[in-house]
Formats: sequence, structure tokens, C-alpha cells
Amino acid sequence: GQQLNQSPQSMFIQEGEDVSMNCTSSSIFNTWLWYKQDPGEGPVLLIALYKAGELTSNGRLTAQFGITRKDSFLNISASIPSDVGIYFCAGRRLLRSQGNLIFGKGTKLSVKP
Amino acid sequence: GAVVSQHPSWVICKSGTSVKIECRSLDFQATTMFWYRQFPKQSLMLMATSNEGSKATYEQGVEKDKFLINHASLTLSTLTVTSAHPEDSSFYICSARLAGPNEKLFFGSGTQLSVL
Repeated sequence: GQQLNQSPQSMFIQEGEDVSMNCTSSSIFNTWLWYKQDPGEGPVLLIALYKAGELTSNGRLTAQFGITRKDSFLNISASIPSDVGIYFCAGRRLLRSQGNLIFGKGTKLSVKP
Repeated sequence: GAVVSQHPSWVICKSGTSVKIECRSLDFQATTMFWYRQFPKQSLMLMATSNEGSKATYEQGVEKDKFLINHASLTLSTLTVTSAHPEDSSFYICSARLAGPNEKLFFGSGTQLSVL
């Protein structure tokens, strides 16, 4: 099925560095959700966004719903080793009749102590 | 956040047997649940949408007779892998939709299925 364009595919960073990843779509979305998945576990919801321009924080994590409604980004400040994992974006297109949540392919984050 | 419980966490079975996986929303009612399959280092692949009180909706290429879904109550959906084969070995994850003006999707912890 359709997937969002999520980038980067992977990141290798030093502990303490900031991280930024984003998702883009050719369609207009009305919902953006960001998840983190640890190995062998299900994804855990980090941040949910529902309005264009919305900026929401969850601890060291900040996510924004793009003004165009076609993109969203997630920032992690001052990364720590436990931030390691795969981060997924998920979005729902403007009209619910247009289907369920669509997932990005994920960004694999590695943090070097 | 809301809790979705998925059991078992892992299961090993012989080829030809059937395996049932349960997905429960513990603190909210979910009229809609979803079942995904995930291969190593890949994203989630939606298999089917489970609707309480009605038939599940399967994605293209997913055999409905192979992957039986039952959503008998507002808090429980089950996925049964029938006549399992080694190629069915995978990580299966369920999710439950928390409906409302600000909808959210919460995931279970996943089930690693290994078919010998």
C-alpha cells in the first residue's frame, strides 16, 4: 500500500547530539502520529498532531505538523543511548473515507555513547 | 496512554497447526483494531482491519481463509493463523483505535511466530 516518505532511513549520532527526522506526502493529512519501536516490541506512541502548524513537545522530543499539511518532523534534543530504536511517522489523509493510517518506512537511530 | 495487550509474546509451532493471537484494549473500547505483519528491519505492513460485530477487511494479497480474524467484543480481536507454514513466521502486531476528535492508535507488544 501507499507509504509516506520518511527520512533519513538511518542515523548514527554521538550521545548529546540533536536529531531531526521528517515525513512527507503528496496528499494532505489531518493527523500525524510519531512512534518509537524497540526491537521485539510494538510501536509506542510519542506525539500526536492534529492541526496544521501545531508544535508539540514530549520531554526532549518535539514534533510539528507542517503548514502545508503534507509533512511533519520530529526532533530529539540531547540524545541519550536509550533513544536508540526505530522511529515511525504515521498519517491519516484529510478525508477519513480515504483510508486508515499510513506509515513511513522508519528511521533507525543509533547513538554512540 | 491507553494500553493494548497482545498475547502471546512469542510462539513456536509445528507446520500445519493453527495459532491464535489475542489483542485486547484494556482501558478503552475499540470498534476498530488492526493487524500488521512486520519483517526484520522493515515497516509495518497492514494485513487487515478488524471491525467489531462485522467481517474484517483484508488488504490486497492477504488470504482471509489463512488469517482468520474475529472481533467479537469492543475490547478483543483475535488473529488465527491457520495451517501455519514456515513462511508464515514473522512478527505480528495489533493496534486498537481510540476514537474521538483526536484519534490515536495504540499498539500491542507484538507476537513473534516461528513455524518449524
